[in-house]
Amino acid sequence: DIVMTQSPLSLPVTPGEPASISCRSSQSLVHSNGYNYLDWYLQKPGQSPQLLINLGSNRASGVPDRFSGSGSGTDFTLKISRVEAEDVGVYYCMQAIQTPLAFGQGTRLDIK
Amino acid sequence: QVQLQESGPGLVKPSETLSLTCTVSRYSISTNYYWGWIRQPPGKGLEWIGSMYYTGSTYYNPSLKSRVTISIDTSKNQFSLKLTSVTAADTALYYCARGTGSYSSKMDYWGQGTLVTVSS
Repeated sequence: DIVMTQSPLSLPVTPGEPASISCRSSQSLVHSNGYNYLDWYLQKPGQSPQLLINLGSNRASGVPDRFSGSGSGTDFTLKISRVEAEDVGVYYCMQAIQTPLAFGQGTRLDIK
Repeated sequence: QVQLQESGPGLVKPSETLSLTCTVSRYSISTNYYWGWIRQPPGKGLEWIGSMYYTGSTYYNPSLKSRVTISIDTSKNQFSLKLTSVTAADTALYYCARGTGSYSSKMDYWGQGTLVTVSS
């Protein structure tokens, strides 16, 4: 099974400042079609997770362009260019190249 | 806007079977996509349980495979989860979701979640 490891696990950020979350997989997530099968989700307090990014870098519909995903193979990054108060919650990466699909442990973003 | 709603007992006794249903609105589950279940123990992270493709193919987490069954009822536009021989470790918030990517990845619509507690 593929293991997903996120860092940091806790991320306090000042509003307006950038933020970055790392996600590493124990195996490559590059498909034969060239795409990286990596999703990012945000679970806001008291809510269901919501899709932010799929295929490593494709923003989901309605996701602000301050969110961006990058990386390839086993190393991926989610960046928020300027953190806003509404961005607080737990961010999860998830590999989707093979079953069982697997999530990282989650990174809790809080506002300083 | 597609909507998903979980339903089922909030309390299940140890060794019994957990049964949940996800009712989908504003999209026919027989048209396309994967339909999956994810759970979250209190205060912990997300765990993928499994999914079913609209054609009927199923994919399960091996850690639960011997106990899990996911099925679809197209006449009711619902899909269901059965988890047998439950223990306290199965206490969690259970979510259903639509996956538009492989194996139910790219989960773009989620239910609100239903808490299931395993206790005598």
